[in-house]
Amino acid sequence: QTVVTQEPSFSVSPGGTVTLTCGLSSGSVSTSYFPSWYQQTPGQAPRTLIYSTNTRSSGVPDRFSGSILGNKAALTITGAQADDESDYYCVLYMRSGIWVFGGGTKLTVL
Amino acid sequence: EVQLLESGGGLLQPGGSLRLSCTAPGLTFSSYAMSWVRQAPGKGLEWVSDISGNGGSTYYADSVKGRFTTSRDNPKNTLYLQMNSLRAEDTGVYYCVKGVAVFNYYGMDVWGQGTTVTVSS
Repeated sequence: QTVVTQEPSFSVSPGGTVTLTCGLSSGSVSTSYFPSWYQQTPGQAPRTLIYSTNTRSSGVPDRFSGSILGNKAALTITGAQADDESDYYCVLYMRSGIWVFGGGTKLTVL
Repeated sequence: EVQLLESGGGLLQPGGSLRLSCTAPGLTFSSYAMSWVRQAPGKGLEWVSDISGNGGSTYYADSVKGRFTTSRDNPKNTLYLQMNSLRAEDTGVYYCVKGVAVFNYYGMDVWGQGTTVTVSS
């Protein structure tokens, strides 16, 4: 059973930069996993930030960026703002047609 | 702007069946794979199922395989999720999500507002 790993929580200061990661319990994440990132605030539907590793979804500001860092996918937020305080989920494509979400990272901006 | 409108959620007993629908007005529907993603109360997101743009390929999470069926009616711009043999652990908000391409592996972009399914005796 493949597990997608994310930091349970992270904090960043306003104006700061934070990098959230998305890994595998076994193996390395590459672009072949088409990593995607989603932002969700309580009571709201998720919003797509990044898909296919580094493609920003429509309307997403360029202070959100995706990449592969080492053996993990990464979401970097530069110039963090108060309304970036949300849950962030990554998802990986497992080549057998299925996707597996990570458990999510709760980002606090303080 | 693409909008996805889910419907069909409700309260039902274990073992029951339900069909969810998702419409996408104005979208060239057949050009995009579609997905269902769910979220149990207080929990994270769980991918449920994908269907390719022409409906010829479907994929399911192990947790729903054999019980759920995803289909689409492209002329009606509508996606369906037929859920049978429902269990308490199927309770949650079900989101319809548009793919970024005709096949599912590139990713998902637009999310619906979600419809709530509650399975309880």
